[in-house]
Amino acid sequence: GAGVSQSPRYKVAKRGQDVALRCDPISGHVSLFWYQQALGQGPEFLTYFQNEAQLDKSGLPSDRFFAERPEGSVSTLKIQRTQQEDSAVYLCASSHVREGGSTDTQYFGPGTRLTVL
Amino acid sequence: GQNIDQPTEMTATEGAIVQINCTYQTSGFNGLFWYQQHAGEAPTFLSYNVLDGLEEKGRFSSFLSRSKGYSYLLLKELQMKDSASYLCAVTRNAGNMLTFGGGTRLMVKP
Repeated sequence: GAGVSQSPRYKVAKRGQDVALRCDPISGHVSLFWYQQALGQGPEFLTYFQNEAQLDKSGLPSDRFFAERPEGSVSTLKIQRTQQEDSAVYLCASSHVREGGSTDTQYFGPGTRLTVL
Repeated sequence: GQNIDQPTEMTATEGAIVQINCTYQTSGFNGLFWYQQHAGEAPTFLSYNVLDGLEEKGRFSSFLSRSKGYSYLLLKELQMKDSASYLCAVTRNAGNMLTFGGGTRLMVKP
């Protein structure tokens, strides 16, 4: 079946512009995660949804970052007034939830590479 | 807090065996994942360990020691296509996110 898809794959923004990054999770996956991956580093957690509820946003680096998942499937990560330090690959992952509530294996999309000039 | 360490780079020869180590200091540790990531691509799931011991899956095996805060990924019969970054990640009892190490870039040479 189809995996996690993300769009756009590449985005170039001028400093100060707003950007919106989209994630389509695997159909039926309840959990959805956003991660930020700097060049040569491991991904870092940004935020987590279970269905439409944003249960954890502790990793969002500033109030310029906002994520939503209004219908419990597609999610959008929005970055306002982009800065050069926002340049990174933004990865989305989705998973089932195990009995007891813990998250099952996360499956990742290809990411959106954001470059802020 | 959490601290996850793995070597930055490793080099191995085609056909050989390589072991990539990962050590962690994580309060409320739940389980440990290994992912493979080719340059410019999505991380892909390799293995999950929650209990002590060795999990074998084809050419890849993963080991966990909870008491030592230690895991390794063992790759046998290396192929050129195994050149990639290997990411160690832990989950905690509280919270569902993955916390990653910095990744180990493996280069397989002929």
